Amino acid sequence: KNEVEQSPQNLTAQEGEFITINCSYSVGISALHWLQQHPGGGIVSLFMLSSGKKKHGRLIATINIQEKHSSLHITASHPRDSAVYICAVGRPGGGSEKLVFGKGTKLTVNP
Amino acid sequence: NAGVTQTPKFQVLKTGQSMTLQCAQDMNHEYMSWYRQDPGMGLRLIHYSVGAGITDQGEVPNGYNVSRSTTEDFPLRLLSAAPSQTSVYFCASSYSRGALNTEAFFGQGTRLTVV
Repeated sequence: KNEVEQSPQNLTAQEGEFITINCSYSVGISALHWLQQHPGGGIVSLFMLSSGKKKHGRLIATINIQEKHSSLHITASHPRDSAVYICAVGRPGGGSEKLVFGKGTKLTVNP
Repeated sequence: NAGVTQTPKFQVLKTGQSMTLQCAQDMNHEYMSWYRQDPGMGLRLIHYSVGAGITDQGEVPNGYNVSRSTTEDFPLRLLSAAPSQTSVYFCASSYSRGALNTEAFFGQGTRLTVV
């Protein structure tokens, strides 16, 4: 079993829909990262969080440490949000040099 | 600032050839890492460094060497390329803040094909 599991693997939505991507992990962590990868492109950090909730524009990330679960929400989705969203965790006692990654969720938003 | 720069973007190698993937960052980050991304799998850690002169192995180090002679550069060497090393390679860097995570910055990736 992977240490970091994401669901769903693939997600198709209509423009304007509210989207939720889930991440569960089985190990202790120091922080959880949400990353975005566009087709053919590099990887960009969206959020890093160790507790509670963070918001940036239409993106919201939450984490429940007790349940070892995090969610990434996208409100009023747009075709430009189409990308692969990746969850990664940092281990306790370490920094961000040794992240453990989920397999990613491929999001397609249709106009 | 350029951030994290990887070269080349694309490379085709023949089995047995050697090559070096370059990674440079201009943010004075202590931590640098190399990951590989394969279809259906999450990124996996190859090697990492917590500062100049200090490197360590990650999850999949076999067939790769690294060195860190400066804070800015962290090259990844393939000693004798094998088809199993066909992958997309990402370099990442981040600040050191003790045991706390900081934001990770990634390069654009190098797509390597070994034939």
